[in-house]
Amino acid sequence: ILNVEQSPQSLHVQEGDSTNFTCSFPSSNFYALHWYRWETAKSPEALFVMTLNGDEKKKGRISATLNTKEGYSYLYIKGSQPEDSATYLCASNTDKLIFGTGTRLQVFP
Amino acid sequence: NAGVTQTPKFQVLKTGQSMTLQCAQDMNHNSMYWYRQDPGMGLRLIYYSASEGTTDKGEVPNGYNVSRLNKREFSLRLESAAPSQTSVYFCASEERGSGANVLTFGAGSRLTVL
Repeated sequence: ILNVEQSPQSLHVQEGDSTNFTCSFPSSNFYALHWYRWETAKSPEALFVMTLNGDEKKKGRISATLNTKEGYSYLYIKGSQPEDSATYLCASNTDKLIFGTGTRLQVFP
Repeated sequence: NAGVTQTPKFQVLKTGQSMTLQCAQDMNHNSMYWYRQDPGMGLRLIYYSASEGTTDKGEVPNGYNVSRLNKREFSLRLESAAPSQTSVYFCASEERGSGANVLTFGAGSRLTVL
């Protein structure tokens, strides 16, 4: 079973701050790295899927990078807003998708 | 609306009772998954089905059985519920089973075992 780890566990930032989280995963037999945004009492929603070393993806103020050789991915949020408050999950797979425990972000006005 | 439908949304069981959580998707996806969500544990994979007719264990399969009834439906059964199975259960599906496509999740099923 893969060990997908995320840090930090939680993060509190002020509105307008930029922030980033880390996802680390075993680099052997890597296939894909997923990022999801999960609001309380809702279902996780997909942000990005990345497969190639050096991949960078962007959606509005959120972007992600991937390093498959060293086994990590960063998620960046530029100019955080209160509506960005959520848990951000990453997941990696060889034959099945295993999730990390998430980074819980709270953005204060 | 297209997507993943889970039933029931809420269920309370007594220890030792059995029940089945149903999941259906109408997106013609090949792969389907069952996860459980517990505080501080994120999403843990219980079972998955890469394609119709196949099922495999995930991280925490003990106490559960699954059936991939057809391409649309993937059910999760608790034969003898235990308090440790109190959790929120999410079903998800993925196109083509390649792992490079995003998962679409159901709304979740909250199960309490007394």
